[in-house]
Amino acid sequence: KNQVEQSPQSLIILEGKNCTLQCNYTVSPFSNLRWYKQDTGRGPVSLTIMTFSENTKSNGRYTATLDADTKQSSLHITASQLSDSASYICVVSVGAGGTSYGKLTFGQGTILTVHP
Amino acid sequence: DAGVTQSPTHLIKTRGQQVTLRCSPISGHKSVSWYQQVLGQGPQFIFQYYEKEERGRGNFPDRFSARQFPNYSSELNVNALLLGDSALYLCASSPGQGRHEQYFGPGTRLTVT
Repeated sequence: KNQVEQSPQSLIILEGKNCTLQCNYTVSPFSNLRWYKQDTGRGPVSLTIMTFSENTKSNGRYTATLDADTKQSSLHITASQLSDSASYICVVSVGAGGTSYGKLTFGQGTILTVHP
Repeated sequence: DAGVTQSPTHLIKTRGQQVTLRCSPISGHKSVSWYQQVLGQGPQFIFQYYEKEERGRGNFPDRFSARQFPNYSSELNVNALLLGDSALYLCASSPGQGRHEQYFGPGTRLTVT
């Protein structure tokens, strides 16, 4: 069964601090991995998307890493801001083959709260 | 350019009723996917439509149905509503299937009482 698990479930940090969110997946065949930021009651917004051959990708203060061998990814946020408070969702896309091609499997998200 | 739009924003229905949710993709995008997100959980895949044909279906009962129109907009219908159908319903559009980035709309918050 294709699954995406994220940790921690929630995280509280002080403004200006760094943090790292984790994602483990068992999706097969793998196509790509995406990190989304979702504000409460809003639709998810893409932060990064990585294919099998990419180890790291940055988007401003967000840096995602991918280890396709261990099927792990992380999202590192540097110099956190109050506006970073949101749910961060790891999403894995199923690769070529079968009717599930392109299907997205979502993690349950990590709720990040940044305090002043 | 306008992003993905969804209507209505919020909706309150009674158990047993039927509901129709609407989605307009980004101009030029031919694929629309629907997701259900229950409070505190990640989105769950419901349907994907590409070029007006169903290309994928998640583990949802037959009470859920959808369609895509010639202009690539889409509707999600849910019949015989249950309390458990209360959720944020997200629509995402992409240029095509597979590896393309998906762009999400703001969602429709459905409350079933």
